[in-house]
Amino acid sequence: DVKVTQSSRYLVKRTGEKVFLECVQDMDHENMFWYRQDPGLGLRLIYFSYDVKMKEKGDIPEGYSVSREKKERFSLILESASTNQTSMYLCASSLRGQGWNEQFFGPGTRLTVL
Amino acid sequence: DAKTTQPNSMESNEEEPVHLPCNHSTISGTDYIHWYRQLPSQGPEYVIHGLTSNVNNRMASLAIAEDRKSSTLILHRATLRDAAVYYCILRASGAGSYQLTFGKGTKLSVIP
Repeated sequence: DVKVTQSSRYLVKRTGEKVFLECVQDMDHENMFWYRQDPGLGLRLIYFSYDVKMKEKGDIPEGYSVSREKKERFSLILESASTNQTSMYLCASSLRGQGWNEQFFGPGTRLTVL
Repeated sequence: DAKTTQPNSMESNEEEPVHLPCNHSTISGTDYIHWYRQLPSQGPEYVIHGLTSNVNNRMASLAIAEDRKSSTLILHRATLRDAAVYYCILRASGAGSYQLTFGKGTKLSVIP
Protein backbone atom coordinates (compact mmCIF):
# COMPACT_ATOMS: atom_id res chain seq x y z
CA ASP A 1 0.00 0.00 0.00
CA VAL A 2 1.26 3.45 -0.89
CA LYS A 3 1.86 5.62 2.07
CA VAL A 4 2.44 9.23 2.99
CA THR A 5 2.93 9.80 6.69
CA GLN A 6 3.09 13.04 8.64
CA SER A 7 4.87 13.35 11.94
CA SER A 8 1.91 14.51 14.00
CA ARG A 9 -1.88 14.57 13.64
CA TYR A 10 -2.22 17.43 16.13
CA LEU A 11 0.29 20.05 17.23
CA VAL A 12 0.01 23.05 19.54
CA LYS A 13 2.72 25.71 19.50
CA ARG A 14 3.21 29.20 20.86
CA THR A 15 3.64 32.38 18.84
CA GLY A 16 7.26 32.89 17.86
CA GLU A 17 8.26 29.24 18.14
CA LYS A 18 10.05 27.48 15.32
CA VAL A 19 7.91 24.63 14.03
CA PHE A 20 8.92 21.63 11.95
CA LEU A 21 6.35 19.54 10.11
CA GLU A 22 7.73 16.34 8.68
CA CYS A 23 6.43 14.28 5.79
CA VAL A 24 7.71 10.91 4.63
CA GLN A 25 6.64 8.86 1.61
CA ASP A 26 7.60 5.28 0.84
CA MET A 27 6.74 5.25 -2.87
CA ASP A 28 10.03 6.58 -4.28
CA HIS A 29 8.17 9.61 -5.65
CA GLU A 30 10.14 12.51 -7.06
CA ASN A 31 7.57 15.21 -6.34
CA MET A 32 6.43 16.31 -2.90
CA PHE A 33 4.04 19.08 -1.88
CA TRP A 34 2.89 21.03 1.15
CA TYR A 35 -0.62 22.49 1.26
CA ARG A 36 -2.61 24.23 3.91
CA GLN A 37 -6.35 23.90 4.17
CA ASP A 38 -8.62 26.49 5.75
CA PRO A 39 -12.42 26.64 5.91
CA GLY A 40 -13.86 28.45 2.92
CA LEU A 41 -10.49 28.64 1.15
CA GLY A 42 -9.92 25.05 0.09
CA LEU A 43 -6.38 23.71 -0.28
CA ARG A 44 -3.62 26.16 -1.10
CA LEU A 45 -0.15 25.15 -2.20
CA ILE A 46 2.68 26.46 -0.02
CA TYR A 47 5.78 24.85 -1.57
CA PHE A 48 6.65 21.87 -3.68
CA SER A 49 9.77 19.98 -4.58
CA TYR A 50 10.44 17.98 -7.73
CA ASP A 51 13.77 16.57 -6.64
CA VAL A 52 16.17 16.34 -3.72
CA LYS A 53 17.39 19.81 -2.69
CA MET A 54 15.04 21.44 -5.19
CA LYS A 55 12.09 23.58 -4.17
CA GLU A 56 9.55 25.84 -5.80
CA LYS A 57 7.22 28.38 -4.26
CA GLY A 58 3.54 27.69 -4.43
CA ASP A 59 0.74 30.20 -4.04
CA ILE A 60 1.33 31.19 -0.40
CA PRO A 61 5.01 30.69 0.57
CA GLU A 62 5.31 33.69 2.87
CA GLY A 63 6.22 32.75 6.42
CA TYR A 64 7.29 29.22 5.44
CA SER A 65 10.41 27.46 4.26
CA VAL A 66 11.04 23.86 3.23
CA SER A 67 13.83 21.33 3.20
CA ARG A 68 14.31 18.26 1.01
CA GLU A 69 17.60 16.55 1.90
CA LYS A 70 16.40 13.04 1.08
CA LYS A 71 14.04 11.86 -1.60
CA GLU A 72 11.53 10.39 0.82
CA ARG A 73 11.35 13.29 3.26
CA PHE A 74 9.99 16.82 2.83
CA SER A 75 9.93 19.19 5.78
CA LEU A 76 7.89 22.35 6.22
CA ILE A 77 9.37 24.94 8.57
CA LEU A 78 7.63 27.84 10.24
CA GLU A 79 10.57 30.02 11.34
CA SER A 80 8.48 32.05 13.79
CA ALA A 81 4.97 30.73 14.14
CA SER A 82 2.09 33.18 14.14
CA THR A 83 -1.58 32.74 14.98
CA ASN A 84 -2.58 33.15 11.32
CA GLN A 85 -0.65 29.96 10.59
CA THR A 86 -3.14 27.95 12.58
CA SER A 87 -4.41 25.53 9.96
CA MET A 88 -4.56 21.98 8.65
CA TYR A 89 -1.32 21.12 6.82
CA LEU A 90 -1.36 18.42 4.19
CA CYS A 91 1.61 16.77 2.53
CA ALA A 92 1.39 14.95 -0.80
CA SER A 93 3.69 13.16 -3.22
CA SER A 94 3.58 12.09 -6.85
CA LEU A 95 5.68 10.46 -9.53
CA ARG A 96 7.47 12.59 -12.07
CA GLY A 97 6.15 12.16 -15.57
CA GLN A 98 4.23 13.63 -18.39
CA GLY A 99 0.51 13.72 -18.71
CA TRP A 100 -0.81 13.31 -15.23
CA ASN A 101 0.47 12.77 -11.75
CA GLU A 102 -1.80 11.28 -9.15
CA GLN A 103 -1.02 12.92 -5.86
CA PHE A 104 -1.09 10.81 -2.73
CA PHE A 105 -1.93 12.71 0.41
CA GLY A 106 -1.03 12.19 4.02
CA PRO A 107 -3.62 12.38 6.81
CA GLY A 108 -2.76 15.98 7.71
CA THR A 109 -1.40 17.83 10.73
CA ARG A 110 -3.72 20.18 12.53
CA LEU A 111 -1.52 22.96 13.87
CA THR A 112 -2.75 25.42 16.46
CA VAL A 113 -0.60 28.46 17.24
CA LEU A 114 -1.51 30.18 20.50
CA ASP B 1 -4.25 28.85 -14.20
CA ALA B 2 -7.61 27.98 -15.71
CA LYS B 3 -10.40 28.04 -13.13
CA THR B 4 -13.21 25.65 -12.32
CA THR B 5 -16.68 26.38 -10.99
CA GLN B 6 -18.61 23.87 -8.92
CA PRO B 7 -21.79 24.06 -6.85
CA ASN B 8 -21.06 24.50 -3.15
CA SER B 9 -23.16 21.53 -2.10
CA MET B 10 -25.33 18.71 -3.39
CA GLU B 11 -27.48 16.01 -1.87
CA SER B 12 -28.18 12.51 -3.03
CA ASN B 13 -30.17 9.57 -1.77
CA GLU B 14 -28.26 6.43 -0.98
CA GLU B 15 -27.99 3.93 -3.85
CA GLU B 16 -28.97 6.51 -6.44
CA PRO B 17 -26.65 7.92 -9.12
CA VAL B 18 -25.01 11.28 -8.51
CA HIS B 19 -23.89 13.73 -11.17
CA LEU B 20 -21.42 16.33 -9.95
CA PRO B 21 -20.95 19.15 -12.47
CA CYS B 22 -17.88 21.27 -13.11
CA ASN B 23 -17.52 24.23 -15.46
CA HIS B 24 -14.12 25.13 -16.87
CA SER B 25 -14.80 27.48 -19.75
CA THR B 26 -11.18 28.74 -19.94
CA ILE B 27 -9.64 25.30 -20.21
CA SER B 28 -6.73 25.06 -22.63
CA GLY B 29 -6.26 22.28 -25.13
CA THR B 30 -3.64 20.49 -23.04
CA ASP B 31 -5.22 20.76 -19.58
CA TYR B 32 -6.15 17.51 -17.90
CA ILE B 33 -9.32 17.35 -15.80
CA HIS B 34 -8.76 15.73 -12.42
CA TRP B 35 -11.22 14.88 -9.69
CA TYR B 36 -10.22 14.35 -6.07
CA ARG B 37 -12.39 13.87 -3.04
CA GLN B 38 -11.81 14.47 0.63
CA LEU B 39 -13.60 12.46 3.25
CA PRO B 40 -14.02 14.00 6.71
CA SER B 41 -10.77 14.13 8.72
CA GLN B 42 -8.71 12.68 5.87
CA GLY B 43 -6.40 13.96 3.16
CA PRO B 44 -7.76 14.19 -0.40
CA GLU B 45 -7.75 11.08 -2.56
CA TYR B 46 -7.63 10.72 -6.31
CA VAL B 47 -10.88 9.74 -8.02
CA ILE B 48 -10.43 9.99 -11.79
CA HIS B 49 -8.91 12.09 -14.53
CA GLY B 50 -9.32 12.60 -18.27
CA LEU B 51 -8.34 14.74 -21.24
CA THR B 52 -10.94 14.48 -24.00
CA SER B 53 -12.68 11.13 -23.88
CA ASN B 54 -15.06 9.86 -21.22
CA VAL B 55 -13.34 7.70 -18.62
CA ASN B 56 -14.46 4.94 -16.30
CA ASN B 57 -12.76 3.36 -13.31
CA ARG B 58 -13.84 1.37 -10.29
CA MET B 59 -14.78 4.49 -8.36
CA ALA B 60 -16.58 6.66 -10.89
CA SER B 61 -17.09 7.82 -14.46
CA LEU B 62 -16.02 11.11 -15.97
CA ALA B 63 -18.08 12.60 -18.78
CA ILE B 64 -16.34 15.40 -20.68
CA ALA B 65 -18.28 17.76 -22.92
CA GLU B 66 -17.29 17.82 -26.55
CA ASP B 67 -16.02 21.41 -26.28
CA ARG B 68 -14.30 20.50 -22.98
CA LYS B 69 -15.78 23.54 -21.25
CA SER B 70 -17.51 21.36 -18.69
CA SER B 71 -17.36 17.89 -17.21
CA THR B 72 -19.42 15.71 -14.91
CA LEU B 73 -18.29 13.22 -12.31
CA ILE B 74 -20.74 10.35 -12.06
CA LEU B 75 -21.04 8.11 -9.03
CA HIS B 76 -23.22 5.26 -10.20
CA ARG B 77 -24.65 4.27 -6.82
CA ALA B 78 -24.01 6.64 -3.97
CA THR B 79 -23.17 5.10 -0.61
CA LEU B 80 -22.79 6.76 2.76
CA ARG B 81 -19.03 6.41 2.34
CA ASP B 82 -19.20 8.70 -0.69
CA ALA B 83 -20.15 11.68 1.47
CA ALA B 84 -17.19 13.99 0.92
CA VAL B 85 -16.03 17.21 -0.68
CA TYR B 86 -15.36 16.66 -4.38
CA TYR B 87 -12.80 18.83 -6.15
CA CYS B 88 -12.64 19.37 -9.90
CA ILE B 89 -9.13 20.50 -10.88
CA LEU B 90 -7.43 21.42 -14.13
CA ARG B 91 -3.81 20.48 -14.52
CA ALA B 92 -1.58 21.64 -17.33
CA SER B 93 0.45 18.97 -19.04
CA GLY B 94 4.08 19.34 -19.98
CA ALA B 95 7.38 19.45 -18.17
CA GLY B 96 7.23 21.06 -14.77
CA SER B 97 3.45 20.96 -14.56
CA TYR B 98 3.14 19.15 -11.27
CA GLN B 99 0.78 21.44 -9.44
CA LEU B 100 -2.86 20.91 -8.65
CA THR B 101 -4.84 24.04 -7.83
CA PHE B 102 -7.74 23.10 -5.60
CA GLY B 103 -10.91 25.21 -5.55
CA LYS B 104 -13.58 25.07 -2.90
CA GLY B 105 -15.22 21.90 -4.20
CA THR B 106 -18.72 20.48 -3.85
CA LYS B 107 -19.79 19.03 -0.54
CA LEU B 108 -21.82 15.91 -1.27
CA SER B 109 -24.26 14.71 1.36
CA VAL B 110 -25.73 11.22 1.04
CA ILE B 111 -29.09 10.63 2.65
CA PRO B 112 -29.82 7.12 3.95
